[in-house]
Amino acid sequence: KNEVEQSPQNLTAQEGEFITINCSYSVGISALHWLQQHPGGGIVSLFMLSSGKKKHGRLIATINIQEKHSSLHITASHPRDSAVYICAVRLVGGGADGLTFGKGTHLIIQP
Amino acid sequence: NAGVMQNPRHLVRRRGQEARLRCSPMKGHSHVYWYRQLPEEGLKFMVYLQKENIIDESGMPKERFSAEFPKEGPSILRIQQVVRGDSAAYFCASSPPIAAGGNIQYFGAGTRLSVL
Repeated sequence: KNEVEQSPQNLTAQEGEFITINCSYSVGISALHWLQQHPGGGIVSLFMLSSGKKKHGRLIATINIQEKHSSLHITASHPRDSAVYICAVRLVGGGADGLTFGKGTHLIIQP
Repeated sequence: NAGVMQNPRHLVRRRGQEARLRCSPMKGHSHVYWYRQLPEEGLKFMVYLQKENIIDESGMPKERFSAEFPKEGPSILRIQQVVRGDSAAYFCASSPPIAAGGNIQYFGAGTRLSVL
C-alpha cells in the first residue's frame, strides 16, 4: 500500500464546476504539499500545509492531521486548470528528507 | 530572481554513455533535491544535498548514479553507463534552509532523458 493515496485518479468536469481532489496518508508527517504538473511537464508548488486551511485565488487546500487527510478544492474551474495535481508529504522521524508523492490526479476541465 | 534552472531540458544518450544533469537552485537556496519520474509513474525522491554535503541519498540507485553540490556551481546528477530503464524526467527542487516543518520546494522544469 502506498504511503500517499490520492482520489480520484482521473477527473473530467465542465467549466465552472467546483472540484475536490483528496489525499490520504498513512504515516506521520511534518508537512503536506500540493503540486501542479502541466502537460508540458513543469511542476509548480501550490501549497505547503501543516495544519488548517490555505487559500490562493480560486484554490483552497485543507488538512486534517487527526484523520491524515487533505483536500484541494478549485472553485469556478477553468480549462487552464487542466493538469495533474500531486499530493506529497514530508515524513517525520526517519525516512527520506525529500518528499513522498501520491500518484497524482489527472484533471480535465472541458469548456 | 530566477527560478530553479535545469539543463539540458532534453538529453538523448545511447546505452553505455554518461548523462550529466545540472541544476542551479534559486538564489539564496542552499538545499537541493533530485527526483525522478519514470514514464506512467509518480515522482520518487532520489537525493537531498546541501552545499558540499550529501544529506540523504536513500532514494539513489546503488550503482551508476551519483550526485554532488559543490561550493561553487550547480548541482550535478551523474548517471554512468546509462540503460534504457534510466529514461525518465529528472526534476530538481531547491529550498532555503529547512524550518521545523519543512519549506516549500521550488521545482525546475526538469530534464527529460531518453536512452536509445
